[in-house]
Amino acid sequence: QSALTQPPSASGSPGQSVTISCTGTSNDVGASNYVSWYQQHPGKAPKVVIYEVTKRPSGVPDRFSGSKSGNTASLTVSGLQAEDEADYYCSSKIGLDNVFGGGTKLTVL
Amino acid sequence: EVQLVESGGGLVQPGGSLRLSCAASGFTFKDAWMTWIRQAPGKGLEWVANVEQDGSKTHYVDSVRGRFTISRDNTRDSLFLQMNSLRAEDTAVYYCARHNYYRFDFWGQGTLVSVSS
Repeated sequence: QSALTQPPSASGSPGQSVTISCTGTSNDVGASNYVSWYQQHPGKAPKVVIYEVTKRPSGVPDRFSGSKSGNTASLTVSGLQAEDEADYYCSSKIGLDNVFGGGTKLTVL
Repeated sequence: EVQLVESGGGLVQPGGSLRLSCAASGFTFKDAWMTWIRQAPGKGLEWVANVEQDGSKTHYVDSVRGRFTISRDNTRDSLFLQMNSLRAEDTAVYYCARHNYYRFDFWGQGTLVSVSS
C-alpha cells in the first residue's frame, strides 16, 4: 500500500495547460481503470474531478481531462483559470483497497 | 442533496480510544460502500478503511488494521469508525466519503482527531 508518486508542485499561467502525473505500479495504476483525481482547496473537502481514468463528473469543466499509459496516470488542466489553484490528488484501486498519491500543489501564476 | 456529516472528533491521549460517526442522507445508504479517509495536518490524503453494503466485509490500510474498526448501521444511515490504541501519527482530519466504484463522489466536511498527551 505504498503511496502513488506525484510531483509536489506544478504551475502555469492563466490560459495555459498543465499536466500532473501519478506513477504507481503494475499492481495499482497499471492494473486498474479505477483511477480518479481530486481537487482540494484550502480548508475544504476534496472533490472528484476525474474518475475511471478519463471520465468527468457532471459539473466539472471540460478543461479537466485524464489519461493513462502503463503505470502512470495523468491529469491535464487546459485553459488554466485562477480558481484551478488547489491541491490535486490521484487515487487508484489496488485489490479491494485504495491508495492515494502524495498530492500536487497547482499554482496559477 | 447528498449530505455526510461527521462527528466525534476531539483530543485524546496516546493509547486512548475514540469513536467517529457519519450521518448520511440524500441517497440510498444501504446500497453504497462507504469509506473513511484521513488527512494529517499539512499532509496528503490517506485512505483508511472501506465497508461494503451490508457491513460484512471490511478493508483497512495496514497502519490501522487491528486498531480501527469500520462499521455501519443501515437502519440509521450511519457509518462509524472505532479507533483504539491511538497514536500521535493518527492525528488528522477524518473524512467520511461515499465509495462509488473506487471513486469517492461525496465527502463530509471532516472531523479533527488530535492524539496528544
